[in-house]
Amino acid sequence: ELKVEQNPLFLSMQEGKNYTIYCNYSTTSDRLYWYRQDPGKSLESLFVLLSNGAVKQEGRLMASLDTKARLSTLHITAAVHDLSATYFCAVDTSNSGYALNFGKGTSLLVTP
Amino acid sequence: DTAVSQTPKYLVTQMGNDKSIKCEQNLGHDTMYWYKQDSKKFLKIMFSYNNKELIINETVPNRFSPKSPDKAHLNLHINSLELGDSAVYFCASSQVMTSEAFFGQGTRLTVV
Repeated sequence: ELKVEQNPLFLSMQEGKNYTIYCNYSTTSDRLYWYRQDPGKSLESLFVLLSNGAVKQEGRLMASLDTKARLSTLHITAAVHDLSATYFCAVDTSNSGYALNFGKGTSLLVTP
Repeated sequence: DTAVSQTPKYLVTQMGNDKSIKCEQNLGHDTMYWYKQDSKKFLKIMFSYNNKELIINETVPNRFSPKSPDKAHLNLHINSLELGDSAVYFCASSQVMTSEAFFGQGTRLTVV
């Protein structure tokens, strides 16, 4: 059974600080996805990482993928309040019919 | 123009009732999904359809029956609703089975 583990599950950080969210998964996959969810809202696609060593950046967020370590990171630089949300990583594999297997999510709160 | 739209957004109903949730996508995608998000925000795949063909049917009670009349629509019918069915149900679609998924706004189902 594919397992996707995120940590931390809860993160409170001050504006201006940096932090990294980690996503580990238990089986071979070359595709990893990061989504953002605001309270009561849908899931918004942030990054699609399709190969080993992939790195993508959008604003204060940067995601990377190491398929050999089965690890992805989401790095937050100089956090601002608008980044407060829940962040999910997800992996798809042929064994799961390519449906997304999600981590439990990281609830991020950025405070002044 | 909404890419993936679900109706209704909110659904409050009594135990034992039968209800349906509708989903439509205008992205021209081949694959559509139903995900369930529980009260702890955990997201789990329920069903996946590719070109109207059922690909995934996870361990879901047979009270849940998806129907895909065409590639752009995937509906979810639920019989004999139970308290434990209360959750947010998300429809999603993707271009092919191995690409990023785009999510609808969710249907918050409350069974009383």
